[in-house]
Amino acid sequence: EVQLVESGGNLVQPGGSLRLSCAASGFTFGDLGMSWVRQAPGKGLEWVSYISSSSSNIYYADSVGGRFTISRDNAKNSLYLQMNSLRDEDTAVYYCARLRVGATYVFDAFDLWGQGTVVTVSS
Amino acid sequence: EIVMTQSPATLSVSPGERATLSCRASQSISNNLAWYQQKPGQGPRLLIYHASTRATSVSDRFSGSGSGTEFTLTISSLRSEDFAVYYCQQYDNSWTFGQGTKVEIK
Repeated sequence: EVQLVESGGNLVQPGGSLRLSCAASGFTFGDLGMSWVRQAPGKGLEWVSYISSSSSNIYYADSVGGRFTISRDNAKNSLYLQMNSLRDEDTAVYYCARLRVGATYVFDAFDLWGQGTVVTVSS
Repeated sequence: EIVMTQSPATLSVSPGERATLSCRASQSISNNLAWYQQKPGQGPRLLIYHASTRATSVSDRFSGSGSGTEFTLTISSLRSEDFAVYYCQQYDNSWTFGQGTKVEIK
């Protein structure tokens, strides 16, 4: 089955750290760019970070740059998000998403999403 | 940053009727626009990319149009499974989403 499964979400205090994981299956993970997108409670979607298939291109939203680090292990079919210096406003459901199969440019739509993992930052 | 604005925030439609959702970009994004559907407790599902191309397995009741700064998603003859929140997304320069339109049963 083609799917993405996120894990690692938890309750963490402000200033703390957390590492999210995304396990991919059913497709050739190493061929495709991947992103993290988050959704605060009752709010819309916010793109967080992107990593290309070979990890050669990495981008971050201004809201997380310098605090979050995206990485991937193509041998393990896994995507990661290391989150440091967490703030209340980082509270959200975090989704991993696959860049559309057939994309010819780094920027394109996301054609496969996971179910999300919940991160709560609170004292 | 390119800002995406969707209207209306909520659309009340009866089953079998047509729904028309709008999305405006703060600057021209050519046809680099996608539409997603999200149901409660689920991740988003890609419906349309390149403004008008349906994604795999998406019903032909969904159609997209527009280019530049003005875009439309049309859902013809709404079915019960279509009641959800819809987001537009630009990918001309990085990625940004609209705030969403909730399509609810009238």
